[in-house]
Amino acid sequence: GAVVSQHPSWVICKSGTSVKIECRSLDFQATTMFWYRQFPKKSLMLMATSNEGSKATYEQGVEKDKFLINHASLTLSTLTVTSAHPEDSSFYICSARSGTSGSYEQYFGPGTRLTVT
Amino acid sequence: AQKITQTQPGMFVQEKEAVTLDCTYDTSDQSYGLFWYKQPSSGEMIFLIYQGSYDEQNATEGRYSLNFQKARKSANLVISASQLGDSAMYFCAMHGETSYDKVIFGPGTSLSVIP
Repeated sequence: GAVVSQHPSWVICKSGTSVKIECRSLDFQATTMFWYRQFPKKSLMLMATSNEGSKATYEQGVEKDKFLINHASLTLSTLTVTSAHPEDSSFYICSARSGTSGSYEQYFGPGTRLTVT
Repeated sequence: AQKITQTQPGMFVQEKEAVTLDCTYDTSDQSYGLFWYKQPSSGEMIFLIYQGSYDEQNATEGRYSLNFQKARKSANLVISASQLGDSAMYFCAMHGETSYDKVIFGPGTSLSVIP
């Protein structure tokens, strides 16, 4: 089956620093990747949709300058949390959709737990 | 805009019994798809089952079946013969008009299987 990896799986950083999270599709080409944020015991909240080679589409209320998304290739998307603050602490999950026509399947990464101190 | 509602924040079921997790949705799209995902405490999202809005038969995958009632806009998940390993959060989700649309999630139901 299709595999999506995320790196790192957890990260602790100091307030004011930036953190980059990588999302890779290991055995398929992902034309579209999605970034979600999840608070404890809450649902997944879509942050942005990332298409290879174009700018990400952010959901309402998500700060573009805060959460920088780059989808540089068909197998890699990155989320950079800039000038992180404690309120950015969360579980970040990416998912990837293959370029197969009509495919509805989304493959999720294992998530990255970010703690900002 | 689409919306997913899951009215059961928490559910308990006896091992080997069946359980139904409720999901209702709202959309103005004529074509859409519905998913169920399982999220154990490890955090990974596990795909369980998918139902397209034009699929006439209810989707089934092993012990999972989706009770799709289009007129009522409901897509309940039925888990038969519950196992201890089924204890997890369960999320109902949907995509809109095309299969390329983003997927939005409901608030989730926490299922606990009792030995």
